[in-house]
Amino acid sequence: KQEVTQIPAALSVPEGENLVLNCSFTDSAIYNLQWFRQDPGKGLTSLLLIQSSQREQTSGRLNASLDKSSGRSTLYIAASQPGDSATYLCAVSGNQFYFGTGTSLTVIP
Amino acid sequence: NAGVTQTPKFQVLKTGQSMTLQCAQDMNHEYMSWYRQDPGMGLRLIHYSVGAGITDQGEVPNGYNVSRSTTEDFPLRLLSAAPSQTSVYFCASSTGLAGVQETQYFGPGTRLLVL
Repeated sequence: KQEVTQIPAALSVPEGENLVLNCSFTDSAIYNLQWFRQDPGKGLTSLLLIQSSQREQTSGRLNASLDKSSGRSTLYIAASQPGDSATYLCAVSGNQFYFGTGTSLTVIP
Repeated sequence: NAGVTQTPKFQVLKTGQSMTLQCAQDMNHEYMSWYRQDPGMGLRLIHYSVGAGITDQGEVPNGYNVSRSTTEDFPLRLLSAAPSQTSVYFCASSTGLAGVQETQYFGPGTRLLVL
Protein backbone atom coordinates (compact mmCIF):
# COMPACT_ATOMS: atom_id res chain seq x y z
CA LYS A 1 0.00 0.00 0.00
CA GLN A 2 1.28 3.43 -0.92
CA GLU A 3 2.33 5.55 2.04
CA VAL A 4 2.69 9.31 1.64
CA THR A 5 4.53 11.36 4.26
CA GLN A 6 4.83 15.12 4.60
CA ILE A 7 7.42 16.73 6.80
CA PRO A 8 7.23 19.04 8.67
CA ALA A 9 3.66 18.84 9.94
CA ALA A 10 3.73 22.56 10.69
CA LEU A 11 5.92 25.44 9.59
CA SER A 12 5.98 29.10 10.57
CA VAL A 13 8.03 31.62 8.58
CA PRO A 14 8.30 35.43 8.34
CA GLU A 15 6.84 37.13 5.30
CA GLY A 16 9.16 37.28 2.32
CA GLU A 17 11.04 34.11 3.11
CA ASN A 18 11.49 31.36 0.52
CA LEU A 19 10.45 27.94 1.77
CA VAL A 20 10.33 24.28 0.81
CA LEU A 21 7.70 21.72 1.69
CA ASN A 22 8.53 18.04 1.43
CA CYS A 23 6.56 15.01 0.33
CA SER A 24 7.81 11.42 0.18
CA PHE A 25 6.10 8.26 -1.04
CA THR A 26 6.97 4.60 -0.76
CA ASP A 27 5.91 3.19 -4.15
CA SER A 28 7.51 4.84 -7.16
CA ALA A 29 4.97 3.31 -9.58
CA ILE A 30 2.86 6.45 -9.81
CA TYR A 31 1.13 8.19 -12.70
CA ASN A 32 1.38 11.69 -11.32
CA LEU A 33 1.73 13.78 -8.17
CA GLN A 34 -0.41 16.74 -7.20
CA TRP A 35 0.01 19.49 -4.68
CA PHE A 36 -3.14 20.92 -3.12
CA ARG A 37 -3.89 23.84 -0.86
CA GLN A 38 -6.55 23.64 1.85
CA ASP A 39 -7.78 26.67 3.75
CA PRO A 40 -9.43 26.13 7.17
CA GLY A 41 -12.94 24.75 6.82
CA LYS A 42 -12.65 24.60 3.03
CA GLY A 43 -12.12 22.04 0.33
CA LEU A 44 -8.91 21.36 -1.55
CA THR A 45 -7.64 23.47 -4.43
CA SER A 46 -5.21 21.96 -6.89
CA LEU A 47 -1.97 23.95 -7.22
CA LEU A 48 0.28 21.88 -9.46
CA LEU A 49 0.19 18.49 -11.15
CA ILE A 50 3.41 16.75 -12.22
CA GLN A 51 3.27 13.79 -14.54
CA SER A 52 5.53 10.86 -13.69
CA SER A 53 7.64 11.62 -16.76
CA GLN A 54 8.20 15.23 -15.70
CA ARG A 55 10.75 16.66 -13.28
CA GLU A 56 9.03 19.89 -12.29
CA GLN A 57 6.13 22.25 -12.79
CA THR A 58 5.89 25.97 -12.13
CA SER A 59 3.00 28.31 -11.48
CA GLY A 60 3.78 31.85 -10.43
CA ARG A 61 5.73 31.76 -7.16
CA LEU A 62 5.25 28.01 -6.85
CA ASN A 63 7.61 25.36 -8.18
CA ALA A 64 7.11 21.65 -7.62
CA SER A 65 9.72 19.02 -8.36
CA LEU A 66 9.45 15.27 -8.62
CA ASP A 67 12.11 12.59 -8.21
CA LYS A 68 10.14 9.44 -8.79
CA SER A 69 13.05 7.06 -8.33
CA SER A 70 13.75 8.32 -4.82
CA GLY A 71 10.07 8.80 -3.97
CA ARG A 72 10.32 12.51 -3.24
CA SER A 73 8.66 15.75 -4.23
CA THR A 74 9.19 19.29 -3.04
CA LEU A 75 7.02 22.37 -3.26
CA TYR A 76 9.03 25.58 -3.34
CA ILE A 77 7.25 28.81 -2.45
CA ALA A 78 9.14 32.00 -3.28
CA ALA A 79 8.75 35.26 -1.42
CA SER A 80 6.07 33.95 0.93
CA GLN A 81 3.06 36.11 1.79
CA PRO A 82 0.52 35.97 4.63
CA GLY A 83 -2.07 34.86 2.07
CA ASP A 84 -0.03 31.69 1.55
CA SER A 85 -0.99 30.55 5.04
CA ALA A 86 -2.87 27.27 4.62
CA THR A 87 -2.37 23.52 4.76
CA TYR A 88 -0.55 22.04 1.78
CA LEU A 89 -1.18 18.43 0.82
CA CYS A 90 0.48 16.23 -1.72
CA ALA A 91 -1.21 13.28 -3.37
CA VAL A 92 0.23 10.57 -5.59
CA SER A 93 -1.80 8.77 -8.22
CA GLY A 94 -1.68 5.06 -8.80
CA ASN A 95 -4.94 3.17 -9.12
CA GLN A 96 -6.31 5.86 -6.82
CA PHE A 97 -5.09 9.01 -5.11
CA TYR A 98 -3.12 8.62 -1.89
CA PHE A 99 -2.81 11.73 0.24
CA GLY A 100 -0.25 12.87 2.73
CA THR A 101 -1.34 14.37 6.04
CA GLY A 102 -0.27 17.85 5.03
CA THR A 103 1.99 20.67 6.18
CA SER A 104 0.31 23.57 7.97
CA LEU A 105 2.03 26.78 6.86
CA THR A 106 1.81 30.09 8.71
CA VAL A 107 3.39 33.16 7.15
CA ILE A 108 3.88 35.89 9.74
CA PRO A 109 3.48 39.51 8.53
CA ASN B 1 -20.17 26.66 -13.36
CA ALA B 2 -20.87 25.89 -9.71
CA GLY B 3 -18.18 23.19 -9.76
CA VAL B 4 -18.62 20.52 -7.09
CA THR B 5 -21.34 21.18 -4.53
CA GLN B 6 -22.05 19.28 -1.33
CA THR B 7 -24.99 19.35 1.05
CA PRO B 8 -25.41 19.61 3.94
CA LYS B 9 -22.43 21.61 5.21
CA PHE B 10 -22.84 20.30 8.73
CA GLN B 11 -24.86 17.48 10.25
CA VAL B 12 -25.28 15.95 13.69
CA LEU B 13 -26.54 12.37 13.90
CA LYS B 14 -27.27 9.96 16.68
CA THR B 15 -25.72 6.51 16.62
CA GLY B 16 -27.77 4.21 14.42
CA GLN B 17 -29.39 6.91 12.31
CA SER B 18 -29.02 6.89 8.56
CA MET B 19 -28.46 9.78 6.21
CA THR B 20 -27.35 10.68 2.71
CA LEU B 21 -24.61 13.16 1.87
CA GLN B 22 -25.28 14.80 -1.45
CA CYS B 23 -22.68 15.62 -4.08
CA ALA B 24 -23.24 17.15 -7.50
CA GLN B 25 -21.00 18.50 -10.24
CA ASP B 26 -21.86 20.48 -13.35
CA MET B 27 -18.63 19.91 -15.28
CA ASN B 28 -19.73 16.69 -17.01
CA HIS B 29 -16.98 14.78 -15.22
CA GLU B 30 -17.02 11.01 -15.46
CA TYR B 31 -14.90 10.28 -12.39
CA MET B 32 -16.31 11.09 -8.95
CA SER B 33 -15.11 10.06 -5.53
CA TRP B 34 -15.78 10.40 -1.81
CA TYR B 35 -13.07 10.93 0.79
CA ARG B 36 -13.08 11.32 4.51
CA GLN B 37 -10.55 13.53 6.27
CA ASP B 38 -9.56 12.79 9.85
CA PRO B 39 -6.93 14.55 11.96
CA GLY B 40 -3.50 13.04 11.47
CA MET B 41 -4.69 10.59 8.82
CA GLY B 42 -5.02 12.66 5.68
CA LEU B 43 -7.74 12.00 3.14
CA ARG B 44 -8.83 8.42 2.61
CA LEU B 45 -10.87 7.19 -0.33
CA ILE B 46 -14.27 5.69 0.57
CA HIS B 47 -15.88 4.94 -2.81
CA TYR B 48 -15.46 6.10 -6.36
CA SER B 49 -17.29 5.96 -9.68
CA VAL B 50 -15.89 6.01 -13.20
CA GLY B 51 -19.25 6.79 -14.78
CA ALA B 52 -23.00 6.46 -14.42
CA GLY B 53 -23.92 3.01 -13.18
CA ILE B 54 -20.35 2.09 -12.19
CA THR B 55 -19.02 2.29 -8.63
CA ASP B 56 -16.20 0.67 -6.72
CA GLN B 57 -14.75 0.57 -3.23
CA GLY B 58 -11.83 2.59 -2.02
CA GLU B 59 -9.66 2.21 1.04
CA VAL B 60 -12.35 2.58 3.75
CA PRO B 61 -15.76 1.54 2.31
CA ASN B 62 -17.30 -0.20 5.32
CA GLY B 63 -20.49 1.46 6.60
CA TYR B 64 -21.03 3.47 3.41
CA ASN B 65 -23.02 2.89 0.24
CA VAL B 66 -22.98 4.78 -3.05
CA SER B 67 -24.83 4.77 -6.33
CA ARG B 68 -24.39 6.72 -9.56
CA SER B 69 -27.58 6.99 -11.55
CA THR B 70 -26.54 10.17 -13.39
CA THR B 71 -23.25 11.75 -14.42
CA GLU B 72 -23.95 14.76 -12.20
CA ASP B 73 -24.82 13.18 -8.85
CA PHE B 74 -22.93 10.85 -6.53
CA PRO B 75 -24.63 10.51 -3.12
CA LEU B 76 -22.99 8.81 -0.15
CA ARG B 77 -25.25 6.92 2.24
CA LEU B 78 -24.51 6.08 5.84
CA LEU B 79 -26.67 3.11 6.68
CA SER B 80 -26.31 3.10 10.47
CA ALA B 81 -24.13 5.90 11.74
CA ALA B 82 -21.39 5.18 14.27
CA PRO B 83 -19.20 7.60 16.26
CA SER B 84 -16.21 6.36 14.23
CA GLN B 85 -17.82 7.99 11.19
CA THR B 86 -17.44 11.45 12.70
CA SER B 87 -15.31 13.17 10.09
CA VAL B 88 -15.21 15.71 7.31
CA TYR B 89 -16.39 14.26 4.02
CA PHE B 90 -15.21 15.56 0.66
CA CYS B 91 -16.55 14.79 -2.77
CA ALA B 92 -14.28 15.22 -5.77
CA SER B 93 -14.60 14.92 -9.53
CA SER B 94 -12.35 14.83 -12.57
CA THR B 95 -12.64 14.13 -16.26
CA GLY B 96 -10.83 10.82 -16.04
CA LEU B 97 -9.43 8.14 -13.84
CA ALA B 98 -7.00 8.96 -11.05
CA GLY B 99 -4.27 7.34 -13.07
CA VAL B 100 -4.61 9.69 -16.01
CA GLN B 101 -3.41 13.25 -16.43
CA GLU B 102 -6.28 14.77 -14.53
CA THR B 103 -6.81 17.33 -11.82
CA GLN B 104 -9.37 16.56 -9.17
CA TYR B 105 -11.85 19.27 -8.17
CA PHE B 106 -13.10 19.16 -4.60
CA GLY B 107 -16.34 20.25 -2.99
CA PRO B 108 -16.37 22.36 0.20
CA GLY B 109 -16.96 19.37 2.46
CA THR B 110 -19.60 18.11 4.89
CA ARG B 111 -18.78 18.03 8.59
CA LEU B 112 -20.49 15.09 10.26
CA LEU B 113 -20.73 14.54 14.00
CA VAL B 114 -22.13 11.24 15.25
CA LEU B 115 -23.08 11.18 18.91
